[in-house]
Amino acid sequence: KAGVTQTPRYLIKTRGQQVTLSCSPISGHRSVSWYQQTPGQGLQFLFEYFSETQRNKGNFPGRFSGRQFSNSRSEMNVSTLELGDSALYLCASSEATGGRYTFGSGTRLTVV
Amino acid sequence: DQQVKQNSPSLSVQEGRISILNCDYTNSMFDYFLWYKKYPAEGPTFLISISSIKDKNEDGRFTVFLNKSAKHLSLHIVPSQPGDSAVYFCAASGDSGGYQKVTFGIGTKLQVIP
Repeated sequence: KAGVTQTPRYLIKTRGQQVTLSCSPISGHRSVSWYQQTPGQGLQFLFEYFSETQRNKGNFPGRFSGRQFSNSRSEMNVSTLELGDSALYLCASSEATGGRYTFGSGTRLTVV
Repeated sequence: DQQVKQNSPSLSVQEGRISILNCDYTNSMFDYFLWYKKYPAEGPTFLISISSIKDKNEDGRFTVFLNKSAKHLSLHIVPSQPGDSAVYFCAASGDSGGYQKVTFGIGTKLQVIP
């Protein structure tokens, strides 16, 4: 099976811009979760999608949004970027919920 | 509000010795616990898990212990190898509005010295 694919791997954006990150889960996995990793903060939960529905949402501002398509691929969008949004964004897929994820390699976002 | 705490940001161990990574949690609703390992420039990979109905789970060199009364779990690596050098994340899963939600700790960086 192909793994979880995240694109792009690296991204540099300017403050105030918006960005869209993409995640293709493992074939057959219907759950996709997004996490933000920053030094000292670990993995912060953003949201989880299952069969195109958002099931859980973390404590992030409304500038962070996501969606899932019928083929389970997911995108997350961050609008009005701030310097503090610089982080590694990780996507994880699973067959069911519970935490046994397969993670992608992440998208490294740098906001300047 | 850190519901899953890894209080040691780093740990150094000699090759061949035991590595013990610790994790504490505060939410009694957590019923499934996991450990992930992360190398630089890669996503975390699942290592081992334990259900709240057990107190120990073993997989090769890796053993996870769960003490529910103390809300504490630990990961033991015996013997430690240089390839084990990575960041280890503790994670806990529990019901959140009818669905399982996973909360991660901030990670412990393990260095195994040859």
